[in-house]
Amino acid sequence: EVQLVESGGGLVQPGRSLRLSCRASGFIFGDYTMGWVRQAPGKGLECVGFIRSKAYGGTTEFAGSAASVKGRFTISRDDSKGIVYLQMNSLQTEDTAVYYCARDVVGGYFWVGADNWGQGTLVTVSS
Amino acid sequence: DIVMTQSPDSLAVSLGERATFNCKASQSVLYSDNKNYLAWYQQKPGQPPKLLIYWASTRASGVADRFSGSGAGTDFTLTISSLQAEDVAVYYCQQFQGSFGQGTQLEIK
Repeated sequence: EVQLVESGGGLVQPGRSLRLSCRASGFIFGDYTMGWVRQAPGKGLECVGFIRSKAYGGTTEFAGSAASVKGRFTISRDDSKGIVYLQMNSLQTEDTAVYYCARDVVGGYFWVGADNWGQGTLVTVSS
Repeated sequence: DIVMTQSPDSLAVSLGERATFNCKASQSVLYSDNKNYLAWYQQKPGQPPKLLIYWASTRASGVADRFSGSGAGTDFTLTISSLQAEDVAVYYCQQFQGSFGQGTQLEIK
C-alpha cells in the first residue's frame, strides 16, 4: 500500500524558514516524480512544485507554481530514505496553508497527475 | 506560465442527471508524444484531492465509469454521466507544469 506522510508543519513567524518532509513507503520511491501542493484555508489547490526522478535528471519544476513561491521554496529528495523535502524560506503570512505531498501517477518528465496524496501538514505563518 | 481557467465556478445538477465541467488552458498542453497533459481531480471537504482522469481522458484506477474526460489542446471537459449524491465536491483541472484551475463547486439541485 502506498503511503505518504508529511511532517514538519506548525506555527512559524514571518520571515523565518521551515522544512517539510514527506516520507514515502509501499512503492519504489526513486522511480517516481514527487510534488508538493498547498491549499490555503477555504481556497483552491495551488501547485508548489515537483521534483523528477533521477531517470529524468532529478530536476525540479516550478513553472506551474505561484509567482510568490518561486525563488523562496526549493524541493529535494533522498531516494535512499524515501523522503522528499520542501524547504520554505522567507515565509509570509500568505504561505499559511495545508501542504500536501503527492506522487505522480506515471513518473515521467512532465507532471501527469497525482494518484497518491498524503493527509497534509498545516503551516501557519503568524507573529 | 500556463493559466488554467475553469467554468462555471459552481454547478447545481439533479441526481441522475449529467454534470459537465470545463477547463481552458492559456496555451496548448498537447505534447509531441500526442498526449494531452491534463488531469482532473475531485476534492471533498477535509480530504486530499482524488485523481479522476489523466492524459485528458484516461480514467485513474478505481474511478467509476460515470466519470469521463475529453478535449485536446487547450479546451477540456469532465463529464459525470449520472450524478450520484457522493459526487458533491469541488473539481479541479491541472496541467503538465503543475498549475491548477480555480475549481468548480458541484452541488445537488
